[in-house]
Amino acid sequence: DAEITQSPRHKITETGRQVTLACHQTWNHNNMFWYRQDLGHGLRLIHYSYGVQDTNKGEVSDGYSVSRSNTEDLPLTLESAASSQTSVYFCASSETGAAGEQFFGPGTRLTVL
Amino acid sequence: KQEVTQIPAALSVPEGENLVLNCSFTDSAIYNLQWFRQDPGKGLTSLLLIQSSQREQTSGRLNASLDKSSGRSTLYIAASQPGDSATYLCAMSGGGADGLTFGKGTHLIIQP
Repeated sequence: DAEITQSPRHKITETGRQVTLACHQTWNHNNMFWYRQDLGHGLRLIHYSYGVQDTNKGEVSDGYSVSRSNTEDLPLTLESAASSQTSVYFCASSETGAAGEQFFGPGTRLTVL
Repeated sequence: KQEVTQIPAALSVPEGENLVLNCSFTDSAIYNLQWFRQDPGKGLTSLLLIQSSQREQTSGRLNASLDKSSGRSTLYIAASQPGDSATYLCAMSGGGADGLTFGKGTHLIIQP
């Protein structure tokens, strides 16, 4: 069955380190999204991609970057981790862009000390 | 900037009751509205997707409606069961933004 996987599921890092969170989907969807979920804020969009070599900034993109070299993967990089980036990160994909049904991965819980 | 509001933030009801969860949004330029379920420590499971041209969608004991003119959606759960306990999130797409705009969720507890 098609699915979205995220790794690692849990990560503890130190302030200032570079961290990369992996997202891999086997739906063959062109559209992929990264969100973060925080108490009091709900889920917010970080970055998204509508296809290979396409990346776009979302609502809370500062301090994050993504790259899309193939259809299946959209890694999220924190260039220099900050305590404010402690959160749960979710990757999602959809077949038909913003108007399509989105399917979510299991999430990565990141703690920045 | 569009906003999505969910009321109530928490709800506890006895097993077997029918219940309604509410979602309101500020922008009528909506593409679709999606309802999710999230269990503690887990990801989001898509329950129902309503396109802007539709008024409702049904899946088993769940029925979701969409009223664009009033900026409201409801999720109706019939004959609630303890296994329905979870946080329910609604999210809209559209309004000039890419990705989904989420409400903060309704935490639902079904008492056995």
